[in-house]
Amino acid sequence: GEDVEQSLFLSVREGDSSVINCTYTDSSSTYLYWYKQEPGAGLQLLTYIFSNMDMKQDQRLTVLLNKKDKHLSLRIADTQTGDSAIYFCAVLYNNNDMRFGAGTRLTVKP
Amino acid sequence: EADIYQTPRYLVIGTGKKITLECSQTMGHDKMYWYQQDPGMELHLIHYSYGVNSTEKGDLSSESTVSRIRTEHFPLTLESARPSHTSQYLCASSAGYGYTFGSGTRLTVV
Repeated sequence: GEDVEQSLFLSVREGDSSVINCTYTDSSSTYLYWYKQEPGAGLQLLTYIFSNMDMKQDQRLTVLLNKKDKHLSLRIADTQTGDSAIYFCAVLYNNNDMRFGAGTRLTVKP
Repeated sequence: EADIYQTPRYLVIGTGKKITLECSQTMGHDKMYWYQQDPGMELHLIHYSYGVNSTEKGDLSSESTVSRIRTEHFPLTLESARPSHTSQYLCASSAGYGYTFGSGTRLTVV
């Protein structure tokens, strides 16, 4: 099957780094995404990585992809209270099927 | 700037009423999707369309129906709303690489 799994909760202190992890089961991935959802809103695309890349950095965000282990992570440096949200991992497969994880709720404490 | 629009943002209606949730996108995307999102955060695909006059049911069984008469418009209809339909409904569109989400409609059936 095409399962995408994430831990449900993560709590960090303001200024620390946050690392949100995601694993998936099907190796026929093409693109992998991280979306952010704030309360009462839709999902906002944060960043993405092509499946033949290992790492992508975009300001405070670093995405790491271990294709052998089917593991994707999102690191947020210098986490701020405004980063508190739900973060969804998503995997796009060859058949254009997008699978989402259940979301990780990040809480940033002052 | 939103390129995909959902209306209404919030809706409270009585049991048995017929409702239509609107979703429109201005990007010319062929693929459109409806997700149901419970308070537990997980997204469930209920309908999708790969083009005009093409609609399919998603992974989660839903009593709702959809239509795709125009590329830009993908409305979702509940013929007779019930309290079990209370949820957030998210619409998304795609050109094949990543989804763009609307802001969602939060539906409460009383």
